Amino acid sequence: DAGVTQTPRHEVAEKGQTIILKCEPVSGHNDLFWYRQTKIQGLELLSYFRSKSLMEDGGAFKDRFKAEMLNSSFSTLKIQPTEPKDSAVYLCASRDRGPGNTLYFGEGSRLIVV
Amino acid sequence: GDSVTQTEGQVALSEEDFLTIHCNYSASGYPALFWYVQYPGEGPQFLFRASRDKEKGSSRGFEATYDKGTTSFHLRKASVQESDSAVYYCALGPLMNYNQGKLIFGQGTKLSIKP
Repeated sequence: DAGVTQTPRHEVAEKGQTIILKCEPVSGHNDLFWYRQTKIQGLELLSYFRSKSLMEDGGAFKDRFKAEMLNSSFSTLKIQPTEPKDSAVYLCASRDRGPGNTLYFGEGSRLIVV
Repeated sequence: GDSVTQTEGQVALSEEDFLTIHCNYSASGYPALFWYVQYPGEGPQFLFRASRDKEKGSSRGFEATYDKGTTSFHLRKASVQESDSAVYYCALGPLMNYNQGKLIFGQGTKLSIKP
C-alpha cells in the first residue's frame, strides 16, 4: 500500500510568493493533518480534517496559511504570501478510524524562503 | 492547554549504553500517550502507545510505562545501537474516542549513538 505522498519534497521561494504544497493520504484514511516542523518549535499543528471537514485550524497560522481537502484523497496547503520565517519542513499525516491513534506521516516538504 | 515536555534536547551515548529520555505531560483529561521516532529525511513513525495508568508500551527494545501519578511516560532502552540514532517524540492524544482529535507533540530529543 502506498503511504502518505507529499510533493514537492523541496521548494525554494522568494519572499512574497505563493506556495502550494500537496498531500495524498493513505487510501481509505479519514483524518488528515498538516504539521510544521522546525528545530526551535518542533511539530506544530496547522490543520486537522476529518472526512474532509476542517476540525481544527492552528490559531497562529490562520492569516497566511490555508489548508484544503479537495477530495478524500488530496489536500493542499497554501502559504500566501511567504515570509522567511516560514522556512521549515511541512509534514502531512493521515489516520483511519480504526482502534488506535496512529498517524502515518509523509516524508515532508522542505520549504526555504529567501 | 494540554502539553508535553521532553527534558533533553539532545542525548549522546555509546553503543550498549542504557537510554532514558524523559517525557512529562499536562492534560485536563485522561490522555493516551505515544512515542514516535524520526529518522533523517523521513517523517515521524509510530513506535508504541499506552492508554491507561501503569500500562507499559514497547517496541524494538524500547519501552515506557504510563505513570499518572507523576504524569510521565519516560522512554527507556537497555542497550542502544548505532541504528537507534534518530529524533524521538513523545505525544499525547485524547483517550475517549482516541481515534479522534489531534496529537500534541513534545519538542523532540535527538539521540546520537557513537559506535
